[in-house]
Amino acid sequence: DGGITQSPKYLFRKEGQNVTLSCEQNLNHDAMYWYRQDPGQGLRLIYYSQIVNDFQKGDIAEGYSVSREKKESFPLTVTSAQKNPTAFYLCASSLADNEQFFGPGTRLTVL
Amino acid sequence: GENVEQHPSTLSVQEGDSAVIKCTYSDSASNYFPWYKQELGKRPQLIIDIRSNVGEKKDQRIAVTLNKTAKHFSLHITETQPEDSAVYFCLASGWGSNYQLIWGAGTKLIIKP
Repeated sequence: DGGITQSPKYLFRKEGQNVTLSCEQNLNHDAMYWYRQDPGQGLRLIYYSQIVNDFQKGDIAEGYSVSREKKESFPLTVTSAQKNPTAFYLCASSLADNEQFFGPGTRLTVL
Repeated sequence: GENVEQHPSTLSVQEGDSAVIKCTYSDSASNYFPWYKQELGKRPQLIIDIRSNVGEKKDQRIAVTLNKTAKHFSLHITETQPEDSAVYFCLASGWGSNYQLIWGAGTKLIIKP
């Protein structure tokens, strides 16, 4: 069953904590992306990776970090430096410059 | 910086009528223009896309047109149905000096019964 998965579905973070959101795909896609979506708003690019062991900052990378050690995986860490992290986080993957397939998302709430 | 302007932000149409959403982009290196539909609480999904070597593409009730000279592309939905109610996002992407990927802000489409 091919697809892109994200975990957890819901995540709660205390002030000052780092948390890591998981994103896995078995579509054999080279490119992967992380987006943040606030209520009623559009998609803002955090980081993207077009190949293993390489990634670039998007529009709102401050307070976030990523790694791309495997083609299938692109985890996102929300650090304590991100002052307002409560949002809906979407991961996507694609073949080069083609259709992006999105995961179901992770809702992060800061307590 | 480069940007994509999407209009209108909200569009309300009577069921059965047509809806048109327009995006204007600034990066002349953009050459891939997809449209995504996002229903409430769900993930965005591609509904149609077009590349810069094509002027128009149609898939049943949905069509996309591209004017590269004017740097705008539009989504057309005919015979709208209640299930068309959602938020629609446009995207312009391509390689210039580096890879650019710029999303529109979204259009909330409301289909009135």
